[in-house]
Formats: sequence, structure tokens, C-alpha cells
Amino acid sequence: EIVMTQSPASLSVSPGERATLSCRASQSVSGTLAWYQQKPGQAPRLLIYGASTRATGIPARFSGSGSGTEFTLTISSLQSEDFAVYYCQQYNNWPLTFGGGTKVEIK
Amino acid sequence: EVQVLESGGGLVQPGGSLRLSCAASGFTFNNYAMSWVRRAPGKGLEWVSGISSSATSTYSADSVKGRFTISRDNSKNTLYLQMNSLRAEDTAIYYCAKVGSGWNFDYWGQGTLVTVSS
Repeated sequence: EIVMTQSPASLSVSPGERATLSCRASQSVSGTLAWYQQKPGQAPRLLIYGASTRATGIPARFSGSGSGTEFTLTISSLQSEDFAVYYCQQYNNWPLTFGGGTKVEIK
Repeated sequence: EVQVLESGGGLVQPGGSLRLSCAASGFTFNNYAMSWVRRAPGKGLEWVSGISSSATSTYSADSVKGRFTISRDNSKNTLYLQMNSLRAEDTAIYYCAKVGSGWNFDYWGQGTLVTVSS
């Protein structure tokens, strides 16, 4: 099983600032990496797939990068609606696996 | 508009069974793989099971293999999860998700809560 490790576990950021979230895979997943956002009481929302392709309707302030084992989600200028938990997920191998999440909080 | 709506959750005793359903609309259901993902209280997301568009292939996490069975009825645009031999650690919100480009999940339902407790 591929283990996905996200860091940091939590991140305090002021509105308007940049946030950088990391995701590391225990073995290469090539570019088969997705990022999701989940707010309390809501379903997860797909942000990025293929490591760097924004999903439909996702604002340009969200960007993804990386390949192999190291990936990054960057939120260029945090808005109030961006405070949430973010998960990465690999879909290169079975079983599909998620990272433990990064909680982005208001500073 | 793509919609997926889960139902069938509830309180069940350890060792019991439950069947979850997911009604899909707004897309051509039989063209897409589907999956179940869960989130236990205080934990992160965990993939549970997936099924190909024609139901010829199914996949499951080791934690549920032999106990949970995923299936679909393309004539009814509905996905199912039969859960047997339930354990306390299966307590979670169960989400139905449409598979997008590759086995990522582009649309999710609001989830249905399964509580396993005596």
C-alpha cells in the first residue's frame, strides 16, 4: 500500500497570504495525484487532478505541482472561504490512498 | 447538474448488516466508475471500494475485504454498498463519489452516517 504523508498537519495563515501544503508518497505515483478540500459538514470537493490540472470551476489561486513522490498544493492568496481541511490522494495503485489531511486555519 | 445522493445509513449493532444506496443523476451513469469513501469521527478520508462502469471490475480496501460488497444497477442509476459483519471501527460518514479522469473523485454526495454500536 502506498502511504501518503501530508505536512504540516495544520497551518495558520492570514487572509491574503500564500499557503503551501505538501504531500509525499511512499513510492512513486507518477502524476496520478489529486487534491480535495473539505469544510465542516460538507462533502469533499475536487480541486486538482493529474497533480496540476484544476478541476471544473476551481479558482486560479489554487495550483498543484510535483511528480513522483513529492507534491505541493499552493493557494496564492487565501480567501475566507479557503479555510478548510485539504487532502491529497494517489490513484496510481490499488488500494487508493489519501493523506491524513492539512487543516488550514485563520491566523 | 450532476447529483449523487446517499441513503441507508443508521445505527446497527456490531456484527450486523446494512445496505447503502446512492442515486445518481445528471450524467450518463453507465459510462463512469463509482466509488465509496468514508470518514470516521475525528479521522481523515479513507477509500472503501470502487466499481467499474460496467461492473466487470470491483476493488476494495483490505479493511473491508470479505465483509463489504460494492455493486451497481445501471438500469436504475444506483450504486450500492452491502456491509456485513459490521464493527465499531466502521462507524463513519459514507460518501458516494463519481470517478473522474482516472480514479479520482469529481463529484461527491453529502454522505450518510453509519454508526456501529451496541
